[in-house]
Amino acid sequence: RKEVEQDPGPFNVPEGATVAFNCTYSNSASQSFFWYRQDCRKEPKLLMSVYSSGNEDGRFTAQLNRASQYISLLIRDSKLSDSATYLCVVRGFGNEKLTFGTGTRLTIIP
Amino acid sequence: EPEVTQTPSHQVTQMGQEVILRCVPISNHLYFYWYRQILGQKVEFLVSFYNNEISEKSEIFDDQFSVERPDGSNFTLKIRSTKLEDSAMYFCASSGLTGDSWVETQYFGPGTRLLVL
Repeated sequence: RKEVEQDPGPFNVPEGATVAFNCTYSNSASQSFFWYRQDCRKEPKLLMSVYSSGNEDGRFTAQLNRASQYISLLIRDSKLSDSATYLCVVRGFGNEKLTFGTGTRLTIIP
Repeated sequence: EPEVTQTPSHQVTQMGQEVILRCVPISNHLYFYWYRQILGQKVEFLVSFYNNEISEKSEIFDDQFSVERPDGSNFTLKIRSTKLEDSAMYFCASSGLTGDSWVETQYFGPGTRLLVL
């Protein structure tokens, strides 16, 4: 089983729509969870950390279900600039390594 | 906003040659990392570094690889004898508390694209 599993997509979504991504992770000892965004041939950039209580940052909402080992990201009112690959990332304690999923590719269509 | 920088942005080398990839982490960060991403694949962890020593390394990080922090600012990855399969984007990252985040977060440099011929 992959350590972090994501649907690779692609998701082609019209501008203004709502889109949701899911991710599962296999290591129940994982402590921290993130969504990173990666544009083509660029570095991963932190989009948001994911907390157990769920958290929101503008149009982005992230949820974590530790019991199911499941993480989600919801993007509302999608913009053309949201087109990117979204990486689900987990980590053990403190400053341990990040483990990445393969990413979900999103294209927003005008 | 502070950022991780990397040089060179691109490197082309012949198989068997040594390469050194350079990184300047964010200045108040204490943990440093190298990751790589082969074209079309996921980002993979190579090595982490803290307090002037390796804290963790992956199976990929074999004897051909080494890391060093030669001074107070640079963090380098050396590949001693490059192979074709070393062709990838190499990302440096550093970790610390930045801005109003209470979670230790890793910030990535723009990467060095290495092509081994």
